[in-house]
Amino acid sequence: AQKVTQAQTEISVVEKEDVTLDCVYETRDTTYYLFWYKQPPSGELVFLIRRNSFDEQNEISGRYSWNFQKSTSSFNFTITASQVVDSAVYFCALDPYSSNTGKLIFGQGTTLQVKP
Amino acid sequence: DGGITQSPKYLFRKEGQNVTLSCEQNLNHDAMYWYRQDPGQGLRLIYYSQIVNDFQKGDIAEGYSVSREKKESFPLTVTSAQKNPTAFYLCASSIDGRLAYNEQFFGPGTRLTVL
Repeated sequence: AQKVTQAQTEISVVEKEDVTLDCVYETRDTTYYLFWYKQPPSGELVFLIRRNSFDEQNEISGRYSWNFQKSTSSFNFTITASQVVDSAVYFCALDPYSSNTGKLIFGQGTTLQVKP
Repeated sequence: DGGITQSPKYLFRKEGQNVTLSCEQNLNHDAMYWYRQDPGQGLRLIYYSQIVNDFQKGDIAEGYSVSREKKESFPLTVTSAQKNPTAFYLCASSIDGRLAYNEQFFGPGTRLTVL
């Protein structure tokens, strides 16, 4: 099965707290790509990061960091020192290389609320 | 300014009517996609097109139709056969739909409500 699970439906934190959004995926492909998107209240999804299955290096971009672990099929996203502007729905997505279609398999999304 | 535009932003439809949602991109992307978003269910793929004059059904194509006569345009028609069309519809594009590493760029969405 090809599937993405974001078990956390909603998370609420107070500004400046660190928060981790979990993403677990299933795929039979050995080559695949994982993505994170942010959907602010305006509705448009914004691309955050792409990771291929052969690159397990963690990545940091400002306050954002991603932890990719093939052993646990997880691709978790951490926001350090959260801000109110981080409030959004965050989606994890999978693109199995074998599909040759660019079709993304999305998780259900995690709604993050950052309170001042 | 390159990007994807969707119109209208809000759309109201009476039961039994067909409606068409517009999606236009000026990114010169080959592939375009339509997704439906319902609360708590993430995004589900309706139709996709990897090249002009060609399109494929996604996971929930029943009650929908599309066309791809021009590279920059991929309109979605919600027909009266769609039993529960009230949802948020998102259009996306990518440079080459055959390559898994290409990210998709999304439009601002159309919120359709059936009265």
